[in-house]
Amino acid sequence: EIVMRQSPATLFESPGERVTLSCRASQSVGSKLAWYQQRPGQAPRLLIYDVSSRATGIPARFSGSGSGTEFTLTISSLQSEDFAVYFCQQYSSRPPWTFGQGTRVEMK
Amino acid sequence: QLQLQESGPGLVEPSETLSLTCSVSGVSIKDEDYYWGWVRQSPGKGLEWMATFSYSETNQYTPSLSSRLSLSADTSRNHFSVKLRSVTAAETAVYYCVRHRGAYVNGYFKPAFFDYWGQGLRVTVSS
Repeated sequence: EIVMRQSPATLFESPGERVTLSCRASQSVGSKLAWYQQRPGQAPRLLIYDVSSRATGIPARFSGSGSGTEFTLTISSLQSEDFAVYFCQQYSSRPPWTFGQGTRVEMK
Repeated sequence: QLQLQESGPGLVEPSETLSLTCSVSGVSIKDEDYYWGWVRQSPGKGLEWMATFSYSETNQYTPSLSSRLSLSADTSRNHFSVKLRSVTAAETAVYYCVRHRGAYVNGYFKPAFFDYWGQGLRVTVSS
């Protein structure tokens, strides 16, 4: 099973700031990585797939990068609605498909 | 507009079987371009993929649960269901049904990421 680790666990930022979240895989997942956003009381929402492709309706301030075992989600200018928990997920090779434990973005 | 809606009991006793159903509207679950699955979320284990169903392929289960899990589908009602036997208190969680979008991985079309989620159903395992 591929283990996904995210850092930091919590990030304290102000609106308008550029935010970078990290995700590391225990072995290479190539470019088979997705990011999700979960707001309080809601289901996760797909933000990014294939490392850097934005899902339908996702604003351009969200971008993803990386390959192999190291990945990054960047929010170029943090908006109030972006304070949430973010998860990465790998879908390389065989199941189980696994998620990171999440990074919470909170207001400073 | 694709919508998924979970239904089932909110409370299950330990050692009993948890049965959940996902009603799908907006697309047929027989569409071979898509897979359908279940993901649960608990404070202790975070997000955990459980199982994935496809009309034309073999069901897939996470190894740690495979001996207790089963998936089924009713295409006439456009819904799919999951049964988890012998549940424990540690399986108290929010259970989501999802569309498990397919993608080419190493040249094969496989389930990949989760592009639609139901609102989630909170299930407590307790006597």
